[in-house]
Amino acid sequence: DGGITQSPKYLFRKEGQNVTLSCEQNLNHDAMYWYRQDPGQGLRLIYYSQIVNDFQKGDIAEGYSVSREKKESFPLTVTSAQKNPTAFYLCASSWWQYNEQFFGPGTRLTVL
Amino acid sequence: SQQGEEDPQALSIQEGENATMNCSYKTSINNLQWYRQNSGRGLVHLILIRSNEREKHSGRLRVTLDTSKKSSSLLITASRAADTASYFCATDSTSNTGKLIFGQGTTLQVKP
Repeated sequence: DGGITQSPKYLFRKEGQNVTLSCEQNLNHDAMYWYRQDPGQGLRLIYYSQIVNDFQKGDIAEGYSVSREKKESFPLTVTSAQKNPTAFYLCASSWWQYNEQFFGPGTRLTVL
Repeated sequence: SQQGEEDPQALSIQEGENATMNCSYKTSINNLQWYRQNSGRGLVHLILIRSNEREKHSGRLRVTLDTSKKSSSLLITASRAADTASYFCATDSTSNTGKLIFGQGTTLQVKP
């Protein structure tokens, strides 16, 4: 059953904590992406990675960090430096040259 | 950096009617894509139209692209209650190949 998975579905964070969101894909895609979606808004790109061990900042990378140690995995850490982290986070993957993106189900992060 | 703007922001129609959503963008593109998002879920790719194409069909979906006006439209014919969702256009600009820029979306409600 191929696809892209995200966990957890819901995540609660206290002020000052770092939290890590998981994203895994078994589609053999080269590229992976993290987006943030705020209520009633479109998606904004946080980070993306074209190949293993390489990633680039998107439009709103401040307060976030990522790693790409394996092709299948692209975890996102929301650090305490991110002042307004409450949002819906979406992970996606694609073959780089075709860039039709396949999305995971999302993680809803709430800061308490 | 919001590339696409969608119009209308919200649309409410009766089942069986057609729904038309428009997307305008600012820079030259390689392709334009349309995605659908059900409430609280990830996005699903609907259709991709390349910059050298003017019209594309997929089932009840028809997409047009006018690169001279930097605009696209998505037509859903014979709408169903199950089409209720948010619809987003996303552009892959020639100056930033591989990264998609999403519009803010059109929320479609189809009343049974």
